[in-house]
Amino acid sequence: EPEVTQTPSHQVTQMGQEVILRCVPISNHLYFYWYRQILGQKVEFLVSFYNNEISEKSEIFDDQFSVERPDGSNFTLKIRSTKLEDSAMYFCASSRRGEGYGYTFGSGTRLTVV
Amino acid sequence: GENVEQHPSTLSVQEGDSAVIKCTYSDSASNYFPWYKQELGKGPQLIIDIRSNVGEKKDQRIAVTLNKTAKHFSLHITETQPEDSAVYFCAALNPGDFGNEKLTFGTGTRLTIIP
Repeated sequence: EPEVTQTPSHQVTQMGQEVILRCVPISNHLYFYWYRQILGQKVEFLVSFYNNEISEKSEIFDDQFSVERPDGSNFTLKIRSTKLEDSAMYFCASSRRGEGYGYTFGSGTRLTVV
Repeated sequence: GENVEQHPSTLSVQEGDSAVIKCTYSDSASNYFPWYKQELGKGPQLIIDIRSNVGEKKDQRIAVTLNKTAKHFSLHITETQPEDSAVYFCAALNPGDFGNEKLTFGTGTRLTIIP
């Protein structure tokens, strides 16, 4: 069964540093997303990306965050100048088309900011 | 925006009994309602979903019901087994504008199956 692949599985970074979280969505999917889950809390939407541009972003997704699809397979989330409160699990997801068809999550990257 | 409420937050069930988790949503435009199982340190795994043109869907021991009028949907697990122990999340998808489809999650239910 096709999977969404995320790397690394765990990243530790110092406060103020930049991190890039990487995702390889399912190959025939057109819609890409990042979500965040702070420990013990619910999964929260960060950003959706379609046709090489952001289609929606949440209040969490401020200027500190950016996304990019640098080639035909990768989808990245960059966090500039990380803060302690950025520590969370970050999930990438992709879907084949609208209405949730094939909406699949990766296994996540645990980001720890120290 | 969409708001999804989920109850209960924790649920303990004897092995073999049934478990029911309930969610309500606020936006009548939401049209897709998945349920996810999350095990420790892993991503959400889709276990069943339902679309707004259907009232009930079943897959072996798992079923989901949807009441569009009342804006609530429920997950039913029958003949529970120890491996059903996990955190379960409901979600609602608001189609929004084209390419703008975000899931809004409930707060999760920690289900514990007692052997």
